Amino acid sequence: AAGVIQSPRHLIKEKRETATLKCYPIPRHDTVYWYQQGPGQDPQFLISFYEKMQSDKGSIPDRFSAQQFSDYHSELNMSSLELGDSALYFCASSLGAPRDTQYFGPGTRLTVL
Amino acid sequence: GQSLEQPSEVTAVEGAIVQINCTYQTSGFYGLSWYQQHDGGAPTFLSYNALDGLEETGRFSSFLSRSDSYGYLLLQELQMKDSASYFCAVRDPTGGFKTIFGAGTRLFVKA
Repeated sequence: AAGVIQSPRHLIKEKRETATLKCYPIPRHDTVYWYQQGPGQDPQFLISFYEKMQSDKGSIPDRFSAQQFSDYHSELNMSSLELGDSALYFCASSLGAPRDTQYFGPGTRLTVL
Repeated sequence: GQSLEQPSEVTAVEGAIVQINCTYQTSGFYGLSWYQQHDGGAPTFLSYNALDGLEETGRFSSFLSRSDSYGYLLLQELQMKDSASYFCAVRDPTGGFKTIFGAGTRLFVKA
């Protein structure tokens, strides 16, 4: 069965650079979520999209933005990167109810030097 | 706001049964989910309880008591591969998609 695809899997950036993470949800899933997970931490909700419209925002810095495109893939854009942005970034998708069943992608490991 | 509490670590031996508890405080409630995450891997959905009682899926079961704001994940016939972090999670009670995870319980399975 198709899973959530994320690219790139690893990304190394310098401080103050920008980064774009991509997510391809499971086909026909209508909701996409983005999470940030630091070492030893729980996943922190950043933002979600339902049917390509932003639905909820969590602890997403103003330096970050995200969107979902007509083909349902989503991109997380991160600017003015800081050392503290180094983390695993997960995308997840879900369909219908209950939306508590989320399928996570393999994640993008971002390292900011 | 919402908060979830779960033990930070649990250790058990192979073949045993272990219970991971989760207590929650939310202004509203839709249900309690459980996820497993191996080191360096992605969270994997295990179970979801919207109503009181026990849900069984193979070696894993999950229980919910809404009156006690409490749930647990029960792992039976433990295997070494069950060593992982386990997170309970709830969805934002306002009806949105924001999801709050507990801090996670690290399970160590010993031979």
